[in-house]
Amino acid sequence: RKEVEQDPGPFNVPEGATVAFNCTYSNSASQSFFWYRQDCRKEPKLLMSVYSSGNEDGRFTAQLNRASQYISLLIRDSKLSDSATYLCVVNPPGAGNMLTFGGGTRLMVKP
Amino acid sequence: DADVTQTPRNRITKTGKRIMLECSQTKGHDRMYWYRQDPGLGLRLIYYSFDVKDINKGEISDGYSVSRQAQAKFSLSLESAIPNQTALYFCATSDLRAGSTDTQYFGPGTRLTVL
Repeated sequence: RKEVEQDPGPFNVPEGATVAFNCTYSNSASQSFFWYRQDCRKEPKLLMSVYSSGNEDGRFTAQLNRASQYISLLIRDSKLSDSATYLCVVNPPGAGNMLTFGGGTRLMVKP
Repeated sequence: DADVTQTPRNRITKTGKRIMLECSQTKGHDRMYWYRQDPGLGLRLIYYSFDVKDINKGEISDGYSVSRQAQAKFSLSLESAIPNQTALYFCATSDLRAGSTDTQYFGPGTRLTVL
């Protein structure tokens, strides 16, 4: 089983739609969780950290479900510029702050 | 100017050649990393360094070596390139301080093709 698993997509949605991605992780003792965004042929960039209580940044909401070991990212009112690959990232315990990346979920927002 | 730079940005080489990929950063971070990215597999850690005198193997270090020449420079070498090392390579940096999360900042990537 992969340490961090994501549906690769692509998710094709119209502008203005709400879309949600889930990610599952295998190590129940993991402490830190993140969503990174990667545009085509570009480097990954931190989108947001995921906190236990859930957190929101504008149109983006991240949630953590420790019992089921999954992380979610909700994007409301999708924009064309949201088209990218979204990487779920976990910092497993004892990893010395190493990050484990999921394979990414590709989102395509259409006009 | 970019905080993390990589050279070259693209490279095509032949099997058996020695290749060096270079990474420089102006962020003043102690920690530097090399990853490779293959379609569908996400980023996988090759080597990492927490300071100039510290080098550690990552998940997939076989066939690679690194050198941390200075705090700001971390190079990745392929001693004898093979076609399955064709991938997108990223350098990253981070600066973990007490109470903060370990955000990593990535360079623009080097696209390497081994024929």
